[in-house]
Amino acid sequence: DAGVTQSPTHLIKTRGQHVTLRCSPISGHKSVSWYQQVLGQGPQFIFQYYEKEERGRGNFPDRFSARQFPNYSSELNVNALLLGDSALYLCASSISGTNQETQYFGPGTRLLVL
Amino acid sequence: QKEVEQNSGPLSVPEGAIASLNCTYSDRGSQSFFWYRQYSGKSPELIMSIYSNGDKEDGRFTAQLNKASQYVSLLIRDSQPSDSATYLCAVLGYGGSQGNLIFGKGTKLSVKP
Repeated sequence: DAGVTQSPTHLIKTRGQHVTLRCSPISGHKSVSWYQQVLGQGPQFIFQYYEKEERGRGNFPDRFSARQFPNYSSELNVNALLLGDSALYLCASSISGTNQETQYFGPGTRLLVL
Repeated sequence: QKEVEQNSGPLSVPEGAIASLNCTYSDRGSQSFFWYRQYSGKSPELIMSIYSNGDKEDGRFTAQLNKASQYVSLLIRDSQPSDSATYLCAVLGYGGSQGNLIFGKGTKLSVKP
């Protein structure tokens, strides 16, 4: 079975631009979470979606938004990019995103903002 | 602010030795705990999950949980050079924060041949 997939793998943008990152969860998983990992730190929670509804949001500015589609894939959008948005963006899927459930990570999208 | 603390290392052990990785967490109500391994430039890969006090063994890996002390550990027996990676401790949020994994900064492990 395919794992979590993410696209693109790498991306270079300039300050002020907009970016869209995509994620497809493991087949049968209905919950997708997004994390940002800057160098030397653990991943930080951005959003969780379940059945197309936002279930949770981390401490990120409104420039960050996301959505989930009927096939449970998801997009993360970041507007007005800043240099500090350079990071590895990770998508994780789980069956329903509830307690005691394991989240499985995709390979990530590495974003560089110049 | 819910926090997960790990010693950033690096932790260096010789091949064949036991590596011991430790983690503490701040929220006493936490119930679900995970250890992920992350190779340089790659995404986190699940090693172990643990939910109950005590030990849980899977091959060369043993996770230990002590909720009274708010402490989680990972032991790696017969360490191999291929175990060299950063190990991330994560605690799953609950209630209004369910689905939110809170990570420590990770401990970098180096296994010397």
